[in-house]
Amino acid sequence: GQNIDQPTEMTATEGAIVQINCTYQTSGFNGLFWYQQHAGEAPTFLSYNVLDGLEEKGRFSSFLSRSKGYSYLLLKELQMKDSASYLCAVLDSNYQLIWGAGTKLIIKP
Amino acid sequence: DADVTQTPRNRITKTGKRIMLECSQTKGHDRMYWYRQDPGLGLRLIYYSFDVKDINKGEISDGYSVSRQAQAKFSLSLESAIPNQTALYFCATSERDRDDTGELFFGEGSRLTVL
Repeated sequence: GQNIDQPTEMTATEGAIVQINCTYQTSGFNGLFWYQQHAGEAPTFLSYNVLDGLEEKGRFSSFLSRSKGYSYLLLKELQMKDSASYLCAVLDSNYQLIWGAGTKLIIKP
Repeated sequence: DADVTQTPRNRITKTGKRIMLECSQTKGHDRMYWYRQDPGLGLRLIYYSFDVKDINKGEISDGYSVSRQAQAKFSLSLESAIPNQTALYFCATSERDRDDTGELFFGEGSRLTVL
């Protein structure tokens, strides 16, 4: 079966750095997405990786290792507004998105 | 105004009732999707449509039906609602791109409670 694993919840301190991991086992791979979802709101796109390596976008970076079936989202200089759930999703060989359950990130002052 | 609009935003209904959730978009995208989100689970695809004449079942289509009335409108119906269809429902759109990897743009969500 297809599976996306990410931690259920993480806690970090304002101003710090946090890394949210995602491991996947899917039938084929056509890219990996990260979305941010604030409580009660719609998910919004953060990043897309299809090649190995690190993609940086301001305070957020996303890393992919296809051989290890692994990605992480790195958030720097954490702000209170970063408190949200972070969703990992993989595009499989049929171009269907397989979603993880999300990681709830709690930021403390 | 939101680019992807869902109505109603909240609905409480009773078992056996017919419910329709509506989605309209102003992004001009051809592709539209209906997902449901349950606590502790990833988003699950119910139905998707790549253009007005194209409707496809997703992972969990049983108990649901859809209608693509126009490029901009995609409705989800529950013919006879049951309590385990209580969930947060999202409509989403995407633009067809060369690699089929377009990001999704989500509506604000419709919270449905079936008693």
